[in-house]
Amino acid sequence: SQQGEEDPQALSIQEGENATMNCSYKTSINNLQWYRQNSGRGLVHLILIRSNEREKHSGRLRVTLDTSKKSSSLLITASRAADTASYFCATEAGANNLFFGTGTRLTVIP
Amino acid sequence: EAGVAQSPRYKIIEKRQSVAFWCNPISGHATLYWYQQILGQGPKLLIQFQNNGVVDDSQLPKDRFSAERLKGVDSTLKIQPAKLEDSAVYLCASSLASGVYNEQFFGPGTRLTVL
Repeated sequence: SQQGEEDPQALSIQEGENATMNCSYKTSINNLQWYRQNSGRGLVHLILIRSNEREKHSGRLRVTLDTSKKSSSLLITASRAADTASYFCATEAGANNLFFGTGTRLTVIP
Repeated sequence: EAGVAQSPRYKIIEKRQSVAFWCNPISGHATLYWYQQILGQGPKLLIQFQNNGVVDDSQLPKDRFSAERLKGVDSTLKIQPAKLEDSAVYLCASSLASGVYNEQFFGPGTRLTVL
């Protein structure tokens, strides 16, 4: 299966702290994407990193990709209560089909 | 720009009944996807359309699930007959094309409960 696995399954932090989530996958990919899902806004695309990239930034988000280890990490800096959501990694290996992981449930305590 | 629209938002049926979901993608998006998301799991792709043709339906349980996109715009997903394990959120997404690096935009989903 190409599905990613996120770690940890759940994470609880205080507002202002950093949150790190990890994703591992099994097969070669074209790119890896991170999505956020909450009840208010549904599933939203956050950031995409291509297989030939090692690190990417977008605002308070930092994503790394290690294709030799088939793993990726998402760092959210200076977390806010509004960051409370489930975060999914999704791998793409052709035809724009996405294979989602199991997700990390992040809770940011005000 | 209007997002992906789905209806209904919620549906409760009894097992062995039939149900249909509707999706209207973002205008101009050629590719449309249906995903199933079971509680506590990530979304799983059921079927991908490019215009009105099927690109990938390898994970669609074809004995009970069917989908169509007759005019290359709106799409319907049908389950007949429903089973308890079909309880999930059904997400529709669209993208400009099916090439690499095309962002998928998701609708709000239809939450199906099968009793």
